Amino acid sequence: GAGVSQTPSNKVTEKGKYVELRCDPISGHTALYWYRQSLGQGPEFLIYFQGTGAADDSGLPNDRFFAVRPEGSVSTLKIQRTERGDSAVYLCASSRGHKETQYFGPGTRLLVL
Amino acid sequence: GIQVEQSPPDLILQEGANSTLRCNFSDSVNNLQWFHQNPWGQLINLFYIPSGTKQNGRLSATTVATERYSLLYISSSQTTDSGVYFCALETSGSRLTFGEGTQLTVNP
Repeated sequence: GAGVSQTPSNKVTEKGKYVELRCDPISGHTALYWYRQSLGQGPEFLIYFQGTGAADDSGLPNDRFFAVRPEGSVSTLKIQRTERGDSAVYLCASSRGHKETQYFGPGTRLLVL
Repeated sequence: GIQVEQSPPDLILQEGANSTLRCNFSDSVNNLQWFHQNPWGQLINLFYIPSGTKQNGRLSATTVATERYSLLYISSSQTTDSGVYFCALETSGSRLTFGEGTQLTVNP
């Protein structure tokens, strides 16, 4: 595709619910990243995939957060038992390979009530 | 982990003015990127610049890796340049560590 796409663009949910956020990387990009951005701050790393496998998941805040990339393209970030503190913009990025320029999607704005 | 400091935190300019944004970092880096986050939240790549100088239109960037800083120059600023400018560093692995950003406002 022309760029990284993310769906939904906005998600409002209630505390305790489960949510899934989707990322479609640029076609042919093998590396995919998830970041989280809180208001007034820079994005913070969550997880990095090289192909289908999570090469670095050290940024995931706790075990309520999980991400998959089963076919090495689309990725889904899953959040269980959402908390109000999970409210943020979740950004996805992709790159052609390891240590190359990362291109970001428009983000999913998650609001947990 | 690596520390990234951007300055100034806020900058207000009149259209047509020039500006310099600075990014200091605490450790050696494999890579450095500059981004512009527009008012709609989209992060736009400006430069991929681990060292040296690059120019793209009214924007240019210089990274001096040995002295651990990078500069972003904006010349003849326009209102559409408004937004937040981030530098982001890659150390080990592929994760980017972002600074706090510089909020730029260009007034007509």
